[in-house]
Amino acid sequence: QQQVKQSPQSLIVQKGGISIINCAYENTAFDYFPWYQQFPGKGPALLIAIRPDVSEKKEGRFTISFNKSAKQFSLHIMDSQPGDSATYFCAARGQTGANNLFFGTGTRLTVIP
Amino acid sequence: NAGVMQNPRHLVRRRGQEARLRCSPMKGHSHVYWYRQLPEEGLKFMVYLQKENIIDESGMPKERFSAEFPKEGPSILRIQQVVRGDSAAYFCASSPLTTGELFFGEGSRLTVL
Repeated sequence: QQQVKQSPQSLIVQKGGISIINCAYENTAFDYFPWYQQFPGKGPALLIAIRPDVSEKKEGRFTISFNKSAKQFSLHIMDSQPGDSATYFCAARGQTGANNLFFGTGTRLTVIP
Repeated sequence: NAGVMQNPRHLVRRRGQEARLRCSPMKGHSHVYWYRQLPEEGLKFMVYLQKENIIDESGMPKERFSAEFPKEGPSILRIQQVVRGDSAAYFCASSPLTTGELFFGEGSRLTVL
C-alpha cells in the first residue's frame, strides 16, 4: 500500500504565485520527511527536509509545514518561478535503524510566465 | 567530487535477456540504495546494501532480481529474463551514514522490447 499519499498530481501556478503540495502518512515511526525535486531525465535532488519535532522549516522560497497530530506535511514554494517547473516528491524515512525512503507519487508543477 | 554514477543511462533488452545496471556511490559513501520508478509514479524502494552485505531487500521482487555491492567495484542490480513490466527507470542512491541524506544518481532507463 502507499505509505505516503501526495496531492495534487499536477499543479499549474502563475509566476510569482504560491505553490502548495500536500502529503499525508500513517506510520508514526517515520522520523524524517524530505522533499525531492526532479527535472526530466534527471535523478531526484534533495530540496528541503524536516524532522517531526519541528512544525516549520524555511529555506529561501521553500517552506515545509509539519502537523504531527494530523500526520500531514506540506511544501510551500513562494514567488514561484518558471525554473521551479519540475516534479516534486515528498518522502518519509522508515523505521529507526533503516534509511530507506517511502516516496509519494509526485506532483508535476508547471509555473507559467 | 563526483556524484553518484550510474551506467548505462539507457539500456534496451529483449524479453528473456539479462539486464545489469551499475552504480558507483559518491566517494566516502558506503551505503547504497536501489529504487525503481515507473512512468508517472513515485520511486519504490528495492534494496539497501553496504559493502558485501544486503541490509534490507524487502522491496525486491522475489524472483529474477538480485543485487550486490562487492568489496571492490560498483554495486550491481541484475535482472534476469526481463519482461516488459521491468521497463522503468532504476535509480541508485548513496549515503555516508546509516541515517544520512540520500544522494541520487541520474538513473538507468531500461526498455524491454
